[in-house]
Amino acid sequence: GAVVSQHPSRVICKSGTSVKIECRSLDFQATTMFWYRQFPKQSLMLMATSNEGSKATYEQGVEKDKFLINHASLTLSTLTVTSAHPEDSSFYICSARQASSYEQYFGPGTRLTVT
Amino acid sequence: GENVEQHPSTLSVQEGDSAVIKCTYSDSASNYFPWYKQELGKGPQLIIDIRSNVGEKKDQRIAVTLNKTAKHFSLHITETQPEDSAVYFCAASTGTASKLTFGTGTRLQVTL
Repeated sequence: GAVVSQHPSRVICKSGTSVKIECRSLDFQATTMFWYRQFPKQSLMLMATSNEGSKATYEQGVEKDKFLINHASLTLSTLTVTSAHPEDSSFYICSARQASSYEQYFGPGTRLTVT
Repeated sequence: GENVEQHPSTLSVQEGDSAVIKCTYSDSASNYFPWYKQELGKGPQLIIDIRSNVGEKKDQRIAVTLNKTAKHFSLHITETQPEDSAVYFCAASTGTASKLTFGTGTRLQVTL
């Protein structure tokens, strides 16, 4: 199957700082990438959808100025959590999909802890 | 919008037994139904999927069935093994340009 990587796998940051998470499709071109957030023992919550070269589409209730998404190439998307607060602590997971394809492949996730 | 319900929330089976997880969806336009396995601390892994033009698909010990009329689909795992223990999510989408709507997950535990 297709491989998606995320970096870092874990990050701890202080309240008020910004954190960038990278998502890469390693063996295919991802025209669309998705960012999810997952709380313990819960399902995946879609935050935003990004198409390469376009602005991301955010789900209702997700602050676009707080969660900055960039999808500048067909293999890389980044999520920047700006001015992080403890309530932003969560497991963030990206996924990627090729053009005209149904299958969506997920990265291994990034555990963010804001102290 | 689409709503996907998943049952049961937890399932415990003995090694070697079969496990069945069921999902229902609300949007009749949905035409793609993947299943993901998520191990603790990891991202979801696509294990099998089915499109609306087929009723059943098998891959070794796992199979998925789809009933479009009733708008439900199921994951079947036969001869379960301890490594099958994980959380399983069903999902649905209406096409290659649409997002996935996930079920709430089923925690499967396979006991020795």
